[in-house]
Amino acid sequence: DAGITQSPRHKVTETGTPVTLRCHQTENHRYMYWYRQDPGHGLRLIHYSYGVKDTDKGEVSDGYSVSRSKTEDFLLTLESATSSQTSVYFCAISEEGAKNIQYFGAGTRLSVL
Amino acid sequence: RKEVEQDPGPFNVPEGATVAFNCTYSNSASQSFFWYRQDCRKEPKLLMSVYSSGNEDGRFTAQLNRASQYISLLIRDSKLSDSATYLCVVRGNRDDKIIFGKGTRLHILP
Repeated sequence: DAGITQSPRHKVTETGTPVTLRCHQTENHRYMYWYRQDPGHGLRLIHYSYGVKDTDKGEVSDGYSVSRSKTEDFLLTLESATSSQTSVYFCAISEEGAKNIQYFGAGTRLSVL
Repeated sequence: RKEVEQDPGPFNVPEGATVAFNCTYSNSASQSFFWYRQDCRKEPKLLMSVYSSGNEDGRFTAQLNRASQYISLLIRDSKLSDSATYLCVVRGNRDDKIIFGKGTRLHILP
């Protein structure tokens, strides 16, 4: 299995609080992604990174920001959590020569009350 | 037409049977196709890539029909452990985004 660790694995928070999810990889892959998965919507891309300090928006980026200061870490921040951001969040990585193939972390279940 | 569309199922299939499901895509310029498997409350994992000439991996066969814009997955001699959600994944040109289908749920019945 690809070396991808997401933390925390579960989190319950209150509306209006900031939340940061961490994705850590040991594969030295260039590309990293944050998705959310909701019933009826499938996986939707929030943000992605194509290198240190290089990030771009996905299809559902509103309310989220990301940072990548090191190759191995990709952080997803919910600036002010809302109930609509209750979801399962997956981090994924892919390498330069096989960008199409993504390996996923185990996911973070976030509940915003 | 949705970018990537799958029958959500569930497909309830007896053990040992053959099952097949399709995934349609709207962008005729799509270049790369994959099937991922996702077990309940787990992360998606790559099952197989789909090549233009079709490809097989053990009991699993994937095919691409460019004319009708769909890919298919066939599972022979199904096992209880095949119960999962199968996600279709499509990518356009080199820099196009990857699009995940919503998945087809498969239940293999003993």
